[in-house]
Amino acid sequence: GNSVTQMEGPVTLSEEAFLTINCTYTATGYPSLFWYVQYPGEGLQLLLKATKADDKGSNKGFEATYRKETTSFHLEKGSVQVSDSAVYFCALSDGAGGYNKLIFGAGTRLAVHP
Amino acid sequence: DTGVSQDPRHKITKRGQNVTFRCDPISEHNRLYWYRQTLGQGPEFLTYFQNEAQLEKSRLLSDRFSAERPKGSFSTLEIQRTEQGDSAMYLCASSQQANSGNTIYFGEGSWLTVV
Repeated sequence: GNSVTQMEGPVTLSEEAFLTINCTYTATGYPSLFWYVQYPGEGLQLLLKATKADDKGSNKGFEATYRKETTSFHLEKGSVQVSDSAVYFCALSDGAGGYNKLIFGAGTRLAVHP
Repeated sequence: DTGVSQDPRHKITKRGQNVTFRCDPISEHNRLYWYRQTLGQGPEFLTYFQNEAQLEKSRLLSDRFSAERPKGSFSTLEIQRTEQGDSAMYLCASSQQANSGNTIYFGEGSWLTVV
C-alpha cells in the first residue's frame, strides 16, 4: 500500500542554518505530495504542495521538489528562524476514489535555537 | 472565511463513558474527513464524507466509533464505551470537490484523554 517515510527527529539547528528534512514515498500511480506543519497545541497547516513530477512547491522560504525517479519530496529552507520550530509532516494523496485521502509520515520535530 | 472549527478542544473522560466531538467545516466544502493522531505519530485516516454520505471508513474505526454528517454541513464523531487506547487528538478536515491536488484544511483538533 501507499506509505510515507520521513527522517527521524528531532532536528536541532541554530538560527540561520540550512534545513533539510528527508521524505520518501511509496505509491501506485502519480500521487500529489504535501508538507504540513504543526505548531505546539495547534492543528495542521498546509505549508506547500506539488501535484506532478518535477513540480517545486514553495512557501515562506521553504521548498520541496517532486522527484519521481527517487520517489522523494525533501523539504529545504536556506535560513531557519526560531519561529520555524514545529513538527513537519510529509504526506501524499493518490486521489483514489476521486477524493483526497492523505497518508502522513510520522513527522519530524524541528527545534531552532537563537 | 472561517476555518475548520472543532469542539470541544479538550475532553477528559472516564473509561467506559461516551464522548462526542463536533466539527464545522469551511462553508461550501462538501468533503469532510476525520483523522486520529497519537503522540509522536502522524495523523491516521478514519473516515470521509462527501456531503451527507459516508463513503469510506478505515478499519481503525471500530464498532464503538460512529460518525455522522446529517445535513451535509457539520459532522459529529461519537466514541462509545471509551478505552484508554482511544486517548488521542481527533482532527477534522474539509476540502472542496476537485482533483487530488486540492487542499485539505485541518481544524485545531480535539484532544481526548481517557482515564
